Amino acid sequence: EAQVTQNPRYLITVTGKKLTVTCSQNMNHEYMSWYRQDPGLGLRQIYYSMNVEVTDKGDVPEGYKVSRKEKRNFPLILESPSPNQTSLYFCASRLAGTEQFFGPGTRLTVL
Amino acid sequence: ILNVEQSPQSLHVQEGDSTNFTCSFPSSNFYALHWYRWETAKSPEALFVMTLNGDEKKKGRISATLNTKEGYSYLYIKGSQPEDSATYLCATRGFNNAGNMLTFGGGTRLMVKP
Repeated sequence: EAQVTQNPRYLITVTGKKLTVTCSQNMNHEYMSWYRQDPGLGLRQIYYSMNVEVTDKGDVPEGYKVSRKEKRNFPLILESPSPNQTSLYFCASRLAGTEQFFGPGTRLTVL
Repeated sequence: ILNVEQSPQSLHVQEGDSTNFTCSFPSSNFYALHWYRWETAKSPEALFVMTLNGDEKKKGRISATLNTKEGYSYLYIKGSQPEDSATYLCATRGFNNAGNMLTFGGGTRLMVKP
């Protein structure tokens, strides 16, 4: 089944404790992105990647890192999480010029 | 950064009513427009991607039009059903960053009463 998967789906952590949210797609898509969704602010793009080893900042990249060592994986790294990074995170992927497929979301709470 | 606005923010309709809502965006630097349907506790599901002025797309009872010259897109739902209740998001891509950045509107939350 073609899909985008994210892990974990739910995470509660404390300020400063490094964490990684994994994202994987099995559709051989070149483009992958991370978004966060906050009430009243809509979906905002954090980082995106056009292909392996090619990443770029979106609208709200501060406090996040990404890597794209393989085509199928695009992990989101929070080196030192802070409470303002409490949010719902979505990973997405697509082929050039086509619709985007979203993962199921990861709800992160930073205490 | 493209400013994408959707109206109305929320909408209540009766089952069987037809409805429509709007996505507005700056007409300069436009590359593509996406519509998504987002149900509570699920992830956004792609409905349409449109790029050309005058594009019209249809999927079942849902259709969309695009006017890139004046910077708007309409989403229409014919004969709304309770299962159409969801938030409808539009997002645009511009030519900046090779068209890879998607900017989302705030969404229109549709509630269809049986």
